[in-house]
Amino acid sequence: DIQMTQSPSTLSASVGDRVTITCRASQSVSIWVAWYQQKLGKAPKLLIYGASNLEGGAPSRFSGTGSGTEFTLTISSLQPDDFATYYCQQYSSYFSHTFGQGTKLEI
Amino acid sequence: QVQLVESGGGVVQPGRSLRLSCAASGFTFSNYVMHWVRQAPGKGLEWVAVISYDETYRVYTESVKGRFTISRDNGGDTLFLQMSSLTPEDTAVYFCARGGEPWTGITAAQYWGQGTLVTVSS
Repeated sequence: DIQMTQSPSTLSASVGDRVTITCRASQSVSIWVAWYQQKLGKAPKLLIYGASNLEGGAPSRFSGTGSGTEFTLTISSLQPDDFATYYCQQYSSYFSHTFGQGTKLEI
Repeated sequence: QVQLVESGGGVVQPGRSLRLSCAASGFTFSNYVMHWVRQAPGKGLEWVAVISYDETYRVYTESVKGRFTISRDNGGDTLFLQMSSLTPEDTAVYFCARGGEPWTGITAAQYWGQGTLVTVSS
């Protein structure tokens, strides 16, 4: 099974900061990585798919890069609504879908 | 608009069974892969199972193989998860989710339901 190692597990930041979250796959997953935002008690929301494609309705301050085994999610200027938990996921085959452990972004 | 509504959660004793349902609307259900994802209290997301749009493949995470069965009713626009031999480690909110692109399993989970809580306890 492909493992996704996400870091950091917790990130403290302030409004206006630029932050980056990293995900490393245990083997190449090409560009098949998504990023989700989850707020407490709510369902996850898709932000980025295909490593770098912004989901419709997601703010443009979110961006994703990477391919192969290294992926990053960047928030260019943190807004109060962005404090949440973020997950990466690989979906590189019909038979393999794995989430990272999550990054809690706190003030 | 796309809607996914889970139901069937509740409190169940260890070793017993439970069936979850996910009613879909607002899209052509039979064109999309569907997933179950769970989240134990205070923990991260765990992918559980996926079923192809035409039921030709069903894939499970290792910890539920042989105990859980994912299925779908394309005529009734409903996804199911039959869970048996439940243990306290299966306690979680269970989400159903739809793939983003039709006709493929290599797609992110674009739409999610609100989740249904399963508690396994004596």
